[in-house]
Amino acid sequence: GAGVSQSPRYKVAKRGQDVALRCDPISGHVSLFWYQQALGQGPEFLTYFQNEAQLDKSGLPSDRFFAERPEGSVSTLKIQRTQQEDSAVYLCASSAQGTSYEQYFGPGTRLTVT
Amino acid sequence: AQRVTQPEKLLSVFKGAPVELKCNYSYSGSPELFWYVQYSRQRLQLLLRHISRESIKGFTADLNKGETSFHLKKPFAQEEDSAMYYCALRRGSNYKLTFGKGTLLTVNP
Repeated sequence: GAGVSQSPRYKVAKRGQDVALRCDPISGHVSLFWYQQALGQGPEFLTYFQNEAQLDKSGLPSDRFFAERPEGSVSTLKIQRTQQEDSAVYLCASSAQGTSYEQYFGPGTRLTVT
Repeated sequence: AQRVTQPEKLLSVFKGAPVELKCNYSYSGSPELFWYVQYSRQRLQLLLRHISRESIKGFTADLNKGETSFHLKKPFAQEEDSAMYYCALRRGSNYKLTFGKGTLLTVNP
């Protein structure tokens, strides 16, 4: 079936604007993760959902970052009052319950804050 | 805290040569180790995991707990192996991944 999808694929925001990034996980996947990948770095964990419950938000860099998954499927990562340091690729991954819990990644949203 | 170190940012080899991408980790428990690969213009995908102990596309990786390493090896590199490789660790089945900074492998003809 279809993999993890993310939209938009590219987003340019002026400093101070709010942005919303969407993730559609693989159907039936219970777990959903958000990662931030700055240029030249590996992905870094932001937050984790199991169904609609946000179980870990320890990686969110500031209170300008907010994530939700109200019905346990689609998730939205919102960044308020964007700053230049928020420029990065935002990756979403989902995994199913089971023995392997393999995380399947989406293509990412490249956010550029000017 | 857990950490993954990939000491080489760039690695260039010729086709047919052996390749080894280094990965060291620090974690006090028994982690799961992974190698992820990202080919040009494609999404990040799992290459292999230490638990399965299998060879994928000719690549193998052995977890060395004494040296806290999980180096990725292939005896004969192919041009299609050119990609970005990330080593990653997680402390349990349904937890976040901690990634290294990645190594860009280029296999020259």
